[in-house]
Amino acid sequence: GEDVEQSLFLSVREGDSSVINCTYTDSSSTYLYWYKQEPGAGLQLLTYIFSNMDMKQDQRLTVLLNKKDKHLSLRIADTQTGDSAIYFCAERRATGFQKLVFGTGTRLLVSP
Amino acid sequence: KAGVTQTPRYLIKTRGQQVTLSCSPISGHRSVSWYQQTPGQGLQFLFEYFSETQRNKGNFPGRFSGRQFSNSRSEMNVSTLELGDSALYLCASSPSGQEVAPLHFGNGTRLTVT
Repeated sequence: GEDVEQSLFLSVREGDSSVINCTYTDSSSTYLYWYKQEPGAGLQLLTYIFSNMDMKQDQRLTVLLNKKDKHLSLRIADTQTGDSAIYFCAERRATGFQKLVFGTGTRLLVSP
Repeated sequence: KAGVTQTPRYLIKTRGQQVTLSCSPISGHRSVSWYQQTPGQGLQFLFEYFSETQRNKGNFPGRFSGRQFSNSRSEMNVSTLELGDSALYLCASSPSGQEVAPLHFGNGTRLTVT
């Protein structure tokens, strides 16, 4: 099917690391993305990874990809209260042009 | 560089009416995609335009349509509005049709149908 699965909610304390997980469905997916959505706003691109990579690091963000298990994760180091938002993973399939299939979103709550 | 601009930000319409939403992509971007976001269905792909041609379409009824102009600006239209069309409509642009180019989203148009 088309479902991209994410856990609904994650709560962490400021300064801790956050790990948001995503399971996608299509082994032909070429690129996988992480977007952040704050209240009343659109989607902000955080980072993305090509399907032939295992890991990508971008400042506080680390993306891990396990292609065999179709599992993607986003680790946020030193999580801040400003990181509180909904995080979406998305996959772009080989024949989909610019169509992205989004996960259900994970609401991250960072408490002081 | 200005981001993706969507107008209007908010719209309230009545069932049976029609509505047009507008999207101006980032300067130089030629691909524009539209997504619908609802609490129940999440983010769903509507359609994508590249060089004024629709390249891909999601599973939405024919009441949902779109077009792209020669300057890459895009509009989407929803006719005979239903209560279930209430949603945040997001537009995204990318530099080209190539897969390597990520999508950049606007802040959306929130449509309420009463």
